Amino acid sequence: DIQMTQSPSSLSASVGDRVTITCRASQSIGKNLHWYEQKPGKAPNLLIFAASSLLSGVPSRFSGSGSGTDFALTISGLQPGDLATYYCQQGYSAPYTFGQGTRLEIK
Amino acid sequence: QVQLQESGPGLVKPSETLSIDCTVSGGSINSDYWNWVRQPPGKGLEWIGNMLYTGSTDYNPSLKSRVTISVDTSKTQFSLKLTSVTAADTAIYYCARARSSGGHYHFDYWGQGTLVTVSS
Repeated sequence: DIQMTQSPSSLSASVGDRVTITCRASQSIGKNLHWYEQKPGKAPNLLIFAASSLLSGVPSRFSGSGSGTDFALTISGLQPGDLATYYCQQGYSAPYTFGQGTRLEIK
Repeated sequence: QVQLQESGPGLVKPSETLSIDCTVSGGSINSDYWNWVRQPPGKGLEWIGNMLYTGSTDYNPSLKSRVTISVDTSKTQFSLKLTSVTAADTAIYYCARARSSGGHYHFDYWGQGTLVTVSS
């Protein structure tokens, strides 16, 4: 199985800040890396696929980068509504695996 | 707009079989991949398995011996069965559609999830 490791596990930031969450794969997965946002009590919601392609309707404050084994999700101009847990997921090979999640708290 | 809705028992006794259905609306079940993903309370996401519209299946090896995913195209519904459950199977179970655009397998539509508790 491909292991996905996210960091940090949690972070706290202020409205307007820029934050970056990283995700590392245990082997090269090309750009087959996708990011989800899960708000409290809700299902995950796809934000970015193929490492850097923003889903239609997702604010441009969100951006993704990386390839191979190292990836990042950046949120610029943090908003109160960005309170959520963020997960990366590799779609390179089954079993499809997720990172352990990064809990984002708004100060 | 594709919508998915899980329906399940809520409570299952240890050693019994967990069965959940997912009804798909707003789209055809005769394309794409149809998945089950679970999330123990307060923990992360685990992919259980999928069924392609052709009927072929792929399961997580960690659960493979206990899992069956099937589809009823006439009802636009697909189902999960997990046998011999224990407390470790207590989780929110999500159904989700996945696409493999250019080989990039990602989950673009999710159900709201159904909590299944395993307890006597």
